[in-house]
Amino acid sequence: DSGVTQTPKHLITATGQRVTLRCSPRSEDLSVYWYQQSLDQGLQFLIHYYNGEERAKGNILERFSAQQFPDLHSELNLSSLELGDSALYFCASSVGGSARNEQFFGPGTRLTVL
Amino acid sequence: GIQVEQSPPDLILQEGANSTLRCNFSDSVNNLQWFHQNPWGQLINLFYIPSGTKQNGRLSATTVATERYSLLYISSSQTTDSGVYFCAAALRRDYKLSFGAGTTVTVRA
Repeated sequence: DSGVTQTPKHLITATGQRVTLRCSPRSEDLSVYWYQQSLDQGLQFLIHYYNGEERAKGNILERFSAQQFPDLHSELNLSSLELGDSALYFCASSVGGSARNEQFFGPGTRLTVL
Repeated sequence: GIQVEQSPPDLILQEGANSTLRCNFSDSVNNLQWFHQNPWGQLINLFYIPSGTKQNGRLSATTVATERYSLLYISSSQTTDSGVYFCAAALRRDYKLSFGAGTTVTVRA
């Protein structure tokens, strides 16, 4: 158990819908990262927050947004869902604000868009 | 960005065998991590090893940063070692980990 929690574990929804994925980092961590794992793209970085502020964006679609709250939990919002958004979404956390720090991954949320 | 290449892509082992997985990266890194993704999809941290050598039970890893590669050794493999092993690296002044495509390991009883 990494200490990073994600809910829900599974999510099945329809095209055009909107969902919210939630992540709670380890108690000592200020950084939250979101990654997407799909069959064709592999594991890709989406976005990074450090102590409530956005630090970096990766290959994140405009239909996706995220935020980190004062209690440091984070939410990833996916809207106007398409079949291609079906993937495993991971949250990771680390102590510091740079990728020098070891990242610990949550169990993931498996999203299926029908 | 940094390129991370893993080899071999697939590995089939008999239980009890030893193996070596390789990760090459294209630039200087300040983070190098190895993960095991189990059949349930969970990413398990194995090693944080931007340089040097570490051991944890039957697993060990070595990173030679100057030559831009890392090796993961699995000794006396067990069926529970099956899964996909990922290497991920981050450049200096970067915020993200870039992942390799993974090595799929199948250990047969």
